[in-house]
Amino acid sequence: GENVEQHPSTLSVQEGDSAVIKCTYSDSASNYFPWYKQELGKRPQLIIDIRSNVGEKKDQRIAVTLNKTAKHFSLHITETQPEDSAVYFCAAKKTSYDKVIFGPGTSLSVIP
Amino acid sequence: DTEVTQTPKHLVMGMTNKKSLKCEQHMGHRAMYWYKQKAKKPPELMFVYSYEKLSINESVPSRFSPECPNSSLLNLHLHALQPEDSALYLCASSPSTTRGNQPQHFGDGTRLSIL
Repeated sequence: GENVEQHPSTLSVQEGDSAVIKCTYSDSASNYFPWYKQELGKRPQLIIDIRSNVGEKKDQRIAVTLNKTAKHFSLHITETQPEDSAVYFCAAKKTSYDKVIFGPGTSLSVIP
Repeated sequence: DTEVTQTPKHLVMGMTNKKSLKCEQHMGHRAMYWYKQKAKKPPELMFVYSYEKLSINESVPSRFSPECPNSSLLNLHLHALQPEDSALYLCASSPSTTRGNQPQHFGDGTRLSIL
């Protein structure tokens, strides 16, 4: 079955710096890749997603890139702010009938 | 503001109790999900309902019993739980499971503690 790996497991950056989280997946049939942000004690919140027919997607300070050949995708956060501190989960999914496979998560701390 | 509403927010129960978790969405979504999440771990899928029918059961013990009374409501009935069942239980919904991959929207969860 599909397996999603995520690195690093923890990440600390200074406010204003960029943060990059990388994920790899094993099943080349996966074609949908959402990213969720979960603040302490709160629900996972979808922040951006990308489909396999697109190589990059941006939404303000957040961008996601996808390399289908290498089977990896990355989340880029620019100009980080303390409120970006949270656990970030990448995920992969094949068809609409399949379940979402989550990565193990990255705990991001933005130091003021 | 969450569009998926879960009640109660917190629940403490003994191993012999019977309780239910409730989830409601009014986005017209036809797919609803139950997840279990342990601390510092990703959500773990338990059940999927598609058009009010159970479509995925991830080999969940029978002490967890899901129910989908209508397209807006999802319940999780609990009976004879074990201490290791203590976790955050998340409900999610998506437009459907039949029209391409679509994002899931999570509720705030019910934090369950088993004594």
